[in-house]
Amino acid sequence: SYELTQPLSVSVALGQTARITCGGNNIGSKNVHWYQKKPGQAPLLVIYRDSNRPSGIPERFSGSNSRNTATLTISGAQDGDEADYYCHMWDSTAGVFGGGTKLTVL
Amino acid sequence: QVQLVQSGGGVVQPGRSLRLSCAASGFTFSSHGMHWVRQAPGKGLEWVAAIWPDGSTKYYGDSVKGRFTISRDNSKDTLYLETNSLRTEDTAVYHCARSDGASGWYAVWGQGTLVTVSS
Repeated sequence: SYELTQPLSVSVALGQTARITCGGNNIGSKNVHWYQKKPGQAPLLVIYRDSNRPSGIPERFSGSNSRNTATLTISGAQDGDEADYYCHMWDSTAGVFGGGTKLTVL
Repeated sequence: QVQLVQSGGGVVQPGRSLRLSCAASGFTFSSHGMHWVRQAPGKGLEWVAAIWPDGSTKYYGDSVKGRFTISRDNSKDTLYLETNSLRTEDTAVYHCARSDGASGWYAVWGQGTLVTVSS
């Protein structure tokens, strides 16, 4: 089965740029989506189909996907961005989530 | 507005069963695939099951295959997850989610319901 690999944690200084990666074999040929998850809340879609931002999601959230790595970029990170982030894709007969990355805003 | 409202869940003994429900409103339920996703305490998100808009096709994660059954009633705009032979490792918050687009992202989520499997 297909696997998505994320770093356990990423730290970023307030106002700086955070990059969260999602690795997978030839993931650049697939569509990757990203979710923000805070305790006690349902996940929130922040990027779909690699680089598309849903309405209501701030422009500081962006995404890219190439070769073996998809990346979620948060430019000008704010306190409210501190959360767990998950990459996700549909692999023909099963959904796949990355293990999740805890983003800490310092 | 567009929403998914979940019910069911609770505390159940190992080996027993539980049915989760997810009521949709604000969109054409019968036009969307629907999925269940869970999160065990202290763990990440885990995809559980999917069902096609007309209910004709269903897929399951390896950890629940043969024990859980996903179904839907498009006349009632409701999604179900029948969980049988529950194990302690099935303890988790379960979310229903609406699938969008060919690549299946989840823009709409239920609020989540806690299932605790314990003797």
